Amino acid sequence: EVQLVESGGGLVQPGGSLRLSCAASGITFSNYWMSWVRQAPGKGLEWVANIKQDGSEKYYVESVKGRFTVSRDNAKNSLYLQMNSLRAEDTAVYYCASTPIFKDHFDYWGRGTLVTVSS
Amino acid sequence: DIQMTQSPSSLSASVGDRVTITCRASQSIKTFLNWYQQKPGKAPKLLIYYASSLGTGVPSRFSGSGSGTDFTLTISSLRPEDFAIYYCQQSSSVPFTFGGGTKVEIK
Repeated sequence: EVQLVESGGGLVQPGGSLRLSCAASGITFSNYWMSWVRQAPGKGLEWVANIKQDGSEKYYVESVKGRFTVSRDNAKNSLYLQMNSLRAEDTAVYYCASTPIFKDHFDYWGRGTLVTVSS
Repeated sequence: DIQMTQSPSSLSASVGDRVTITCRASQSIKTFLNWYQQKPGKAPKLLIYYASSLGTGVPSRFSGSGSGTDFTLTISSLRPEDFAIYYCQQSSSVPFTFGGGTKVEIK
């Protein structure tokens, strides 16, 4: 059974930092592009960032460039999102999602972890 | 960035109805179009990829069509478990973008 389990969310003050993790099981993690997708309360989905299988390519949505860093550890089957200089508008549920090799869609999703940025 | 526009934003339908949701891209995305279903408090679930390919385990009452800029998701006969929010998403180029969603409600 495929499982993606996010952790690391919580309440943080504006300007603060948080590191999210996503632990994968049931898939050959090193074969997958991995993404972070977020959803603000009551809003739609927004793709945040992704990283290639070997970590050699990373892409970000404009609003998080320079503040967020995506990384992965294939030996630990884990994906990370380092979030710095957090803003109120970063408040959302953050999902990790996998994209199989030679494909372009998100086939598996985690349950998400809530990040709340508030003073 | 490629803008994705879904319509309608919400609809009311009855069990057994045929439902069609449309998605329009601001520029051609060939068939790099995916559809997801999301139920309250749950993660999105893949329904359709490459515009018309059915995801693993997805019932055959779901179908997708289109290419270029105009796409549709059709549910041939609505079931109670289909009441949810549906999102289209383009995977043609980063940043990947989603439509605003279509909420399918019980009539």
